[in-house]
Amino acid sequence: QSVVTQPPSASGTPGQRVTISCSGSSSNIGRNTVNWYQQLPGTAPKLLIYSNNQRPSGVPDRFSGSKSGTSASLAISGLQSEDETDYYCAAWDDSLKGWVFGGGTKLTVL
Amino acid sequence: QVQLRQSGPGLVKPSQTLSLTCAISGDSVSSNSAAWHWIRQSPSRGLEWLGRTYYRSKWYRDYAVSVKSRITINPDTSKNQFSLQVNSVTPEDTAVFYCARVSSSGALDVWGQGTTVTVSS
Repeated sequence: QSVVTQPPSASGTPGQRVTISCSGSSSNIGRNTVNWYQQLPGTAPKLLIYSNNQRPSGVPDRFSGSKSGTSASLAISGLQSEDETDYYCAAWDDSLKGWVFGGGTKLTVL
Repeated sequence: QVQLRQSGPGLVKPSQTLSLTCAISGDSVSSNSAAWHWIRQSPSRGLEWLGRTYYRSKWYRDYAVSVKSRITINPDTSKNQFSLQVNSVTPEDTAVFYCARVSSSGALDVWGQGTTVTVSS
């Protein structure tokens, strides 16, 4: 069981806006910033959002993040077929003294 | 551009030691603003943080509780790399292993290419 919880799946149609949730606790998301990763099959996770809502250089502004309390969300607007893959949230956990990851959400573009 | 290049065997026998290396280019393992991590991913455990090493006037190492008794992460300043050793492996240690960096962004922002390690006789 992951310390941080994500829905196992999400879906949307091209052009639509979808959100993926991430629920944690006071020792991780409640105290620290949240990062989001995109993982294409057979590749390493790629940083998509850091510090709750910051995009690294090169990440399209279709991707955005937010955090409130012990939960966070990733929003993808103008959904494209290439967005169909797995997404993970992560945060540092002060009690475990390590990174904790969500179980991942598989996004399907219908 | 920072790159991490992993190396190590893809097959390890049960009870033996898993050893992987992560070579750094574009940054320094001795950087005072970075930390160097190992993470693994398997269908049963998902993404699991294993540990880190970093330098802040001296070397620090932190390990996940789940593997603390079996794991060692060491920096190698002469080769600008860091390594992972997991002792007494079992088939449950079969996973894709990644090295990664945390920098001023506070996130695991650069990842190695991943190494699939299978524990089997």
